[in-house]
Amino acid sequence: GEDVEQSLFLSVREGDSSVINCTYTDSSSTYLYWYKQEPGAGLQLLTYIFSNMDMKQDQRLTVLLNKKDKHLSLRIADTQTGDSAIYFCAESADDYKLSFGAGTTVTVRA
Amino acid sequence: NAGVTQTPKFQVLKTGQSMTLQCAQDMNHNSMYWYRQDPGMGLRLIYYSASEGTTDKGEVPNGYNVSRLNKREFSLRLESAAPSQTSVYFCASSEAQGNNSPLHFGNGTRLTVT
Repeated sequence: GEDVEQSLFLSVREGDSSVINCTYTDSSSTYLYWYKQEPGAGLQLLTYIFSNMDMKQDQRLTVLLNKKDKHLSLRIADTQTGDSAIYFCAESADDYKLSFGAGTTVTVRA
Repeated sequence: NAGVTQTPKFQVLKTGQSMTLQCAQDMNHNSMYWYRQDPGMGLRLIYYSASEGTTDKGEVPNGYNVSRLNKREFSLRLESAAPSQTSVYFCASSEAQGNNSPLHFGNGTRLTVT
């Protein structure tokens, strides 16, 4: 969606960290999400962060939020081949509707 | 636990034909959604149903209709398919009203209109 922007591609070596960046425009966003889509499948929720938080860590995943700059990032530590997928950033300022970015295709090379 | 089930998985239509995409969820969720996914554009909301008995337009409703048949089922109808409707369609559901109610997605229907 036009309100959420992400870079389209990221290539990373197995074992390195991946960082996927996202910017959004709606200052009233209350929740920000990261979804993962594997080939031929729907989207799965990876993690989310509430807008009054700066950081959230969940095992290999770290989400950083800079609310002033409206910038969200997802860091995947020790990237594995199973992490190859499309990652979508999404924001919600409304009860029912999410705005999604175009998705970042992450390719993990050996 | 099947989650969100969409049928069919694949469909090819000729321009002008009609069809209905089916979606059912077994999680007792109140809200259901239809999105389309196009390369480089992410997911765009077509229609949603906040609760049984209600439906509302999303970002790109033109050319589509929906029916919330009951709490479990939410169908999407194309009355006269156009090549611009070639896309991957995803149904999703969420538990309740409110921001922290994650969406659960089906595996998608890949539609080609020739």
